[in-house]
Amino acid sequence: NAGVTQTPKFRILKIGQSMTLQCTQDMNHNYMYWYRQDPGMGLKLIYYSVGAGITDKGEVPNGYNVSRSTTEDFPLRLELAAPSQTSVYFCATDRYNEQFFGPGTRLTVL
Amino acid sequence: KQEVTQIPAALSVPEGENLVLNCSFTDSAIYNLQWFRQDPGKGLTSLLLIQSSQREQTSGRLNASLDKSSGRSTLYIAASQPGDSATYLCAAGGSYIPTFGRGTSLIVHP
Repeated sequence: NAGVTQTPKFRILKIGQSMTLQCTQDMNHNYMYWYRQDPGMGLKLIYYSVGAGITDKGEVPNGYNVSRSTTEDFPLRLELAAPSQTSVYFCATDRYNEQFFGPGTRLTVL
Repeated sequence: KQEVTQIPAALSVPEGENLVLNCSFTDSAIYNLQWFRQDPGKGLTSLLLIQSSQREQTSGRLNASLDKSSGRSTLYIAASQPGDSATYLCAAGGSYIPTFGRGTSLIVHP
């Protein structure tokens, strides 16, 4: 099992560009999450999903969008990238309140 | 709103020492307490998960305890090694939305 996979690993965007961060899991977990991690600031929840077709906002959703059409995939969309979105993005799944993380995507917006 | 605090923020110890990392949370109504390890530039790896009904969990040289009434969890690392150098995060689980601490950065020097 691959667990939780994320692509790309690294990306540099210019201000105003858009991109989609991909997240795929093969554990058949219903719950999936997107977090961002800034240096010294811990993890902040962006969006989460309790199953295909259901998503909800977390603590810091502004500037992001998500969709969940299948159990396996939970992409995160950035529209009009801003320097404040420079961060490391982690996707995670949850089974019985135990979290499993992907390797992360390091995004820089210049 | 749940708040999770980890003290100290950074710790440097000589190899071979036994050490304790602390995690405190404000709301004792948690489902579980999960400890993670994060190496530089990497994702979060789950170390131990303590369910709310449990008092401790052990894995090798690691032992995690949970005291819900006092809002505290500790991660005990026995006979520390340079390979233990990493950031350790705790997360208080609450109805599928965990709250993360900012982590303790540990350096074990030879």
